[in-house]
Amino acid sequence: EAGVVQSPRYKIIEKKQPVAFWCNPISGHNTLYWYLQNLGQGPELLIRYENEEAVDDSQLPKDRFSAERLKGVDSTLKIQPAELGDSAVYLCASSKRTGGDETQYFGPGTRLLVL
Amino acid sequence: SQQGEEDPQALSIQEGENATMNCSYKTSINNLQWYRQNSGRGLVHLILIRSNEREKHSGRLRVTLDTSKKSSSLLITASRAADTASYFCAVIQGAQKLVFGQGTRLTINP
Repeated sequence: EAGVVQSPRYKIIEKKQPVAFWCNPISGHNTLYWYLQNLGQGPELLIRYENEEAVDDSQLPKDRFSAERLKGVDSTLKIQPAELGDSAVYLCASSKRTGGDETQYFGPGTRLLVL
Repeated sequence: SQQGEEDPQALSIQEGENATMNCSYKTSINNLQWYRQNSGRGLVHLILIRSNEREKHSGRLRVTLDTSKKSSSLLITASRAADTASYFCAVIQGAQKLVFGQGTRLTINP
Protein backbone atom coordinates (compact mmCIF):
# COMPACT_ATOMS: atom_id res chain seq x y z
CA GLU A 1 0.00 0.00 0.00
CA ALA A 2 1.45 3.37 -1.00
CA GLY A 3 1.80 5.89 1.77
CA VAL A 4 0.85 9.54 1.86
CA VAL A 5 2.63 11.38 -0.92
CA GLN A 6 3.64 15.01 -0.68
CA SER A 7 5.36 17.32 -3.11
CA PRO A 8 7.57 19.16 -3.31
CA ARG A 9 9.81 17.87 -0.54
CA TYR A 10 11.67 21.17 -0.29
CA LYS A 11 10.81 24.69 -1.36
CA ILE A 12 12.77 27.91 -1.07
CA ILE A 13 11.02 31.16 -1.92
CA GLU A 14 11.36 34.84 -1.22
CA LYS A 15 8.94 36.55 1.11
CA LYS A 16 5.73 37.84 -0.44
CA GLN A 17 5.82 35.09 -3.08
CA PRO A 18 3.05 32.48 -3.31
CA VAL A 19 3.68 28.80 -2.67
CA ALA A 20 1.59 25.65 -2.93
CA PHE A 21 1.94 22.19 -1.46
CA TRP A 22 0.29 19.06 -2.77
CA CYS A 23 -0.81 15.94 -0.92
CA ASN A 24 -2.13 12.59 -2.11
CA PRO A 25 -3.53 10.57 0.79
CA ILE A 26 -3.67 6.81 1.14
CA SER A 27 -6.31 5.35 -1.15
CA GLY A 28 -9.64 5.00 0.60
CA HIS A 29 -8.84 7.41 3.41
CA ASN A 30 -11.68 9.85 3.80
CA THR A 31 -10.05 12.18 6.31
CA LEU A 32 -7.13 14.39 5.39
CA TYR A 33 -5.12 16.68 7.65
CA TRP A 34 -2.62 19.46 7.12
CA TYR A 35 -0.21 20.17 9.96
CA LEU A 36 2.44 22.80 10.52
CA GLN A 37 5.59 21.74 12.34
CA ASN A 38 8.09 24.32 13.55
CA LEU A 39 11.63 23.29 14.37
CA GLY A 40 11.83 21.41 17.64
CA GLN A 41 8.06 21.37 18.07
CA GLY A 42 5.26 18.90 17.57
CA PRO A 43 2.86 19.21 14.64
CA GLU A 44 -0.06 21.62 14.96
CA LEU A 45 -3.26 21.06 13.02
CA LEU A 46 -4.08 23.64 10.35
CA ILE A 47 -7.10 22.04 8.72
CA ARG A 48 -8.98 18.74 8.63
CA TYR A 49 -11.09 17.48 5.75
CA GLU A 50 -13.74 14.82 5.79
CA ASN A 51 -14.09 13.98 2.12
CA GLU A 52 -14.43 17.36 0.40
CA GLU A 53 -15.59 19.28 3.47
CA ALA A 54 -13.25 21.29 5.67
CA VAL A 55 -14.63 20.39 9.11
CA ASP A 56 -11.96 22.05 11.25
CA ASP A 57 -10.06 25.04 9.89
CA SER A 58 -10.00 27.07 13.08
CA GLN A 59 -6.18 27.16 13.17
CA LEU A 60 -5.74 28.11 9.53
CA PRO A 61 -4.62 31.75 9.09
CA LYS A 62 -7.21 32.56 6.49
CA ASP A 63 -5.77 35.91 5.50
CA ARG A 64 -2.91 34.19 3.71
CA PHE A 65 -3.54 30.44 3.82
CA SER A 66 -6.05 28.51 1.77
CA ALA A 67 -6.66 24.85 1.13
CA GLU A 68 -8.84 22.73 -1.07
CA ARG A 69 -9.75 19.10 -1.58
CA LEU A 70 -12.02 19.31 -4.58
CA LYS A 71 -12.78 15.66 -5.31
CA GLY A 72 -12.24 14.35 -1.83
CA VAL A 73 -8.87 12.85 -2.70
CA ASP A 74 -5.86 15.08 -3.38
CA SER A 75 -5.43 18.31 -1.50
CA THR A 76 -3.52 21.54 -2.01
CA LEU A 77 -2.40 23.99 0.66
CA LYS A 78 -1.48 27.47 -0.50
CA ILE A 79 0.21 30.43 1.12
CA GLN A 80 -0.07 33.83 -0.50
CA PRO A 81 1.89 35.90 0.26
CA ALA A 82 4.48 33.97 2.24
CA GLU A 83 6.13 35.57 5.26
CA LEU A 84 9.44 34.81 6.93
CA GLY A 85 7.62 33.19 9.85
CA ASP A 86 6.03 30.63 7.54
CA SER A 87 9.33 28.76 7.30
CA ALA A 88 8.49 25.33 8.68
CA VAL A 89 7.61 21.79 7.67
CA TYR A 90 4.11 21.25 6.32
CA LEU A 91 2.86 17.73 6.97
CA CYS A 92 -0.09 16.02 5.38
CA ALA A 93 -1.75 13.04 7.03
CA SER A 94 -4.73 10.85 6.31
CA SER A 95 -6.92 8.37 8.14
CA LYS A 96 -9.75 6.07 7.11
CA ARG A 97 -12.24 8.19 8.98
CA THR A 98 -12.41 10.69 11.77
CA GLY A 99 -12.29 9.32 15.26
CA GLY A 100 -10.20 9.35 18.39
CA ASP A 101 -9.03 5.80 17.78
CA GLU A 102 -8.11 6.32 14.17
CA THR A 103 -4.43 6.07 13.28
CA GLN A 104 -3.17 8.96 11.23
CA TYR A 105 -0.63 8.20 8.52
CA PHE A 106 1.79 10.99 7.77
CA GLY A 107 3.59 11.97 4.61
CA PRO A 108 7.27 13.00 4.64
CA GLY A 109 6.38 16.69 4.66
CA THR A 110 7.36 19.74 2.64
CA ARG A 111 10.14 21.80 4.16
CA LEU A 112 9.57 25.48 3.35
CA LEU A 113 12.20 28.16 3.68
CA VAL A 114 11.12 31.75 3.16
CA LEU A 115 13.96 34.20 2.56
CA SER B 1 -1.87 25.20 22.20
CA GLN B 2 -0.01 21.99 22.80
CA GLN B 3 -1.63 19.56 25.18
CA GLY B 4 1.12 17.09 25.95
CA GLU B 5 4.48 17.90 27.39
CA GLU B 6 7.27 15.39 27.00
CA ASP B 7 10.10 14.97 29.42
CA PRO B 8 13.01 14.99 28.92
CA GLN B 9 13.31 17.20 25.85
CA ALA B 10 16.43 15.29 24.84
CA LEU B 11 17.85 11.93 25.85
CA SER B 12 21.13 10.30 24.87
CA ILE B 13 21.91 6.70 25.82
CA GLN B 14 24.14 3.84 24.77
CA GLU B 15 22.91 1.14 22.43
CA GLY B 16 21.38 -1.71 24.39
CA GLU B 17 20.19 0.46 27.24
CA ASN B 18 16.53 1.19 27.94
CA ALA B 19 15.03 4.59 27.16
CA THR B 20 12.14 6.09 29.08
CA MET B 21 10.19 9.14 27.98
CA ASN B 22 7.35 10.77 29.86
CA CYS B 23 4.32 12.73 28.76
CA SER B 24 1.97 14.86 30.81
CA TYR B 25 -1.34 16.25 29.63
CA LYS B 26 -3.96 18.62 30.95
CA THR B 27 -7.48 17.43 30.24
CA SER B 28 -9.46 14.19 30.43
CA ILE B 29 -8.73 11.84 27.56
CA ASN B 30 -10.21 8.83 25.80
CA ASN B 31 -6.83 7.63 24.62
CA LEU B 32 -3.23 8.68 24.28
CA GLN B 33 -1.03 7.93 21.30
CA TRP B 34 2.72 7.82 20.76
CA TYR B 35 4.38 8.65 17.45
CA ARG B 36 7.97 8.49 16.22
CA GLN B 37 9.58 10.88 13.76
CA ASN B 38 12.90 10.16 12.13
CA SER B 39 14.89 13.16 11.00
CA GLY B 40 13.39 14.72 7.88
CA ARG B 41 10.50 12.27 7.78
CA GLY B 42 6.85 12.17 8.69
CA LEU B 43 5.46 10.78 11.92
CA VAL B 44 4.83 7.08 12.38
CA HIS B 45 2.17 5.81 14.75
CA LEU B 46 3.63 3.53 17.42
CA ILE B 47 0.93 2.68 19.91
CA LEU B 48 -2.43 3.79 21.29
CA ILE B 49 -3.45 3.28 24.90
CA ARG B 50 -7.03 3.81 26.01
CA SER B 51 -8.01 5.62 29.18
CA ASN B 52 -9.18 2.38 30.81
CA GLU B 53 -5.84 0.67 30.15
CA ARG B 54 -2.85 1.00 32.44
CA GLU B 55 -0.18 -0.69 30.37
CA LYS B 56 0.33 -1.83 26.81
CA HIS B 57 3.13 -3.61 24.99
CA SER B 58 4.21 -3.70 21.39
CA GLY B 59 7.49 -5.46 20.66
CA ARG B 60 10.21 -3.57 22.51
CA LEU B 61 7.79 -0.78 23.42
CA ARG B 62 5.97 -0.53 26.71
CA VAL B 63 3.51 2.27 27.38
CA THR B 64 1.92 3.08 30.71
CA LEU B 65 -0.91 5.45 31.46
CA ASP B 66 -1.83 7.01 34.81
CA THR B 67 -5.01 8.99 34.35
CA SER B 68 -5.00 10.15 37.97
CA LYS B 69 -1.67 11.89 37.35
CA LYS B 70 -2.50 12.72 33.74
CA SER B 71 0.74 11.18 32.60
CA SER B 72 2.08 8.46 30.34
CA SER B 73 5.46 6.92 29.78
CA LEU B 74 7.06 5.19 26.80
CA LEU B 75 9.78 2.65 27.49
CA ILE B 76 11.97 1.34 24.70
CA THR B 77 13.92 -1.70 25.81
CA ALA B 78 17.25 -2.88 24.39
CA SER B 79 17.64 0.27 22.30
CA ARG B 80 19.15 0.18 18.81
CA ALA B 81 20.75 2.85 16.67
CA ALA B 82 17.64 2.81 14.50
CA ASP B 83 15.59 4.02 17.47
CA THR B 84 17.25 7.42 17.16
CA ALA B 85 14.32 9.75 16.48
CA SER B 86 11.94 12.20 18.09
CA TYR B 87 9.04 10.72 20.03
CA PHE B 88 5.75 12.54 20.48
CA CYS B 89 2.72 11.87 22.60
CA ALA B 90 -0.65 13.06 21.37
CA VAL B 91 -4.13 13.31 22.82
CA ILE B 92 -7.52 14.20 21.39
CA GLN B 93 -8.69 17.69 22.24
CA GLY B 94 -12.14 19.01 21.46
CA ALA B 95 -13.78 17.65 18.35
CA GLN B 96 -11.41 14.89 17.26
CA LYS B 97 -8.39 17.18 17.11
CA LEU B 98 -5.11 15.37 17.79
CA VAL B 99 -2.77 17.60 19.80
CA PHE B 100 0.92 16.75 20.00
CA GLY B 101 3.51 17.55 22.61
CA GLN B 102 6.90 19.06 21.84
CA GLY B 103 8.59 15.69 21.69
CA THR B 104 11.62 13.98 23.15
CA ARG B 105 14.70 13.76 20.93
CA LEU B 106 16.27 10.38 21.54
CA THR B 107 19.83 9.61 20.45
CA ILE B 108 21.21 6.08 20.64
CA ASN B 109 25.00 6.03 20.67
CA PRO B 110 26.75 2.96 19.22
